[in-house]
Amino acid sequence: EADIYQTPRYLVIGTGKKITLECSQTMGHDKMYWYQQDPGMELHLIHYSYGVNSTEKGDLSSESTVSRIRTEHFPLTLESARPSHTSQYLCASSEGMSPARTDTQYFGPGTRLTVL
Amino acid sequence: QKEVEQNSGPLSVPEGAIASLNCTYSDRGSQSFFWYRQYSGKSPELIMFIYSNGDKEDGRFTAQLNKASQYVSLLIRDSQPSDSATYLCAVEGDTGRRALTFGSGTRLQVQP
Repeated sequence: EADIYQTPRYLVIGTGKKITLECSQTMGHDKMYWYQQDPGMELHLIHYSYGVNSTEKGDLSSESTVSRIRTEHFPLTLESARPSHTSQYLCASSEGMSPARTDTQYFGPGTRLTVL
Repeated sequence: QKEVEQNSGPLSVPEGAIASLNCTYSDRGSQSFFWYRQYSGKSPELIMFIYSNGDKEDGRFTAQLNKASQYVSLLIRDSQPSDSATYLCAVEGDTGRRALTFGSGTRLQVQP
């Protein structure tokens, strides 16, 4: 089972600020993911990565960007936060035995972002 | 049509009963199927996964997969109030899609 961490857990910030949501995992998983989820609504994939220096956009259009410089670290950045970015952001990772195989994803505790 | 469909519920069952949660998917090439449980305000946690047609049991949980009919279900035996949560079905897409597609979830309420 993955140990996956997200910080901060809660963030309230004003419009126009730049923010970075941190995600790290200690299991050496190759694949990492960012999801967005509004209360009571479904998960939407916004970014994913197969490994270092590999990132791709998900289904849901997002103004955020990600980077994967180290295997264990997958931060998500919003250059200019807006109220429409208010949501729960969930990070996940999986072992990723091969690029063509999806395997079990384990989720971090999430960051609840509120943009005023 | 959504790629992964679930009845949003709530599904209400009495304590000790069997809860049956269903999920249908549209991609015939899907290979892997997952059930996650999500408590309100928390992140999803894996219950179990299934790859092959038929049943797979893990404690009080049984996953059932029928690829010909494109559905996967989760049975929870001896339901407990602590099972009250939203249950998410997730499906691996075709080889060109390298991440899971989640359904919107079914909210289960177990009445004491």
